[in-house]
Amino acid sequence: NAGVTQTPKFQVLKTGQSMTLQCAQDMNHEYMSWYRQDPGMGLRLIHYSVGAGITDQGEVPNGYNVSRSTTEDFPLRLLSAAPSQTSVYFCASSVVVGVGYGYTFGSGTRLTVV
Amino acid sequence: TQLLEQSPQFLSIQEGENLTVYCNSSSVFSSLQWYRQEPGEGPVLLVTVVTGGEVKKLKRLTFQFGDARKDSSLHITAAQPGDTGLYLCAGVPNTGNQFYFGTGTSLTVIP
Repeated sequence: NAGVTQTPKFQVLKTGQSMTLQCAQDMNHEYMSWYRQDPGMGLRLIHYSVGAGITDQGEVPNGYNVSRSTTEDFPLRLLSAAPSQTSVYFCASSVVVGVGYGYTFGSGTRLTVV
Repeated sequence: TQLLEQSPQFLSIQEGENLTVYCNSSSVFSSLQWYRQEPGEGPVLLVTVVTGGEVKKLKRLTFQFGDARKDSSLHITAAQPGDTGLYLCAGVPNTGNQFYFGTGTSLTVIP
């Protein structure tokens, strides 16, 4: 069972470059989200989606775009990378956001912006 | 401002000791979850507690949801080096549709 697959695992970008972090899940989960994890800051929500065609902003959305054209895929786009976006990015999915349901996380993408 | 506050932030104990990690909020949650994260990996769901006052046990780990559904605790009995990791609580507040995470408790168990 693949679960949640994130690619790439590591990436180095120069300031101003753009890139897309890929996320795919094979569990038919409706809810998908992107988090960034920084030391001392915990997991902060960037964007989330409650189903195909529906996305919304989380706590720290600036500099990131998302789209959800299928149930399986939820890519995260960095428009113009900045050093402040150096972080570990996690994609996660859940059946729904509701009582008793938790997340399945991918293994993360470690991004460094120089 | 964090919706979920965890304490302590760091914990270093000897193998065989007991410990408790706390997760507190001023908001009411429909459920709370606990995750463990190991270096280089994503968090892994350990348990979900749903009912106020609920207690769940997972081997040497005991999870409790507060009666008012505003807090939770994780107690580990006779900690082992394999328990080392970052423990995160998370939940969806009654009035929201997003998961919120605590800042985490980094546990090190020394052999």
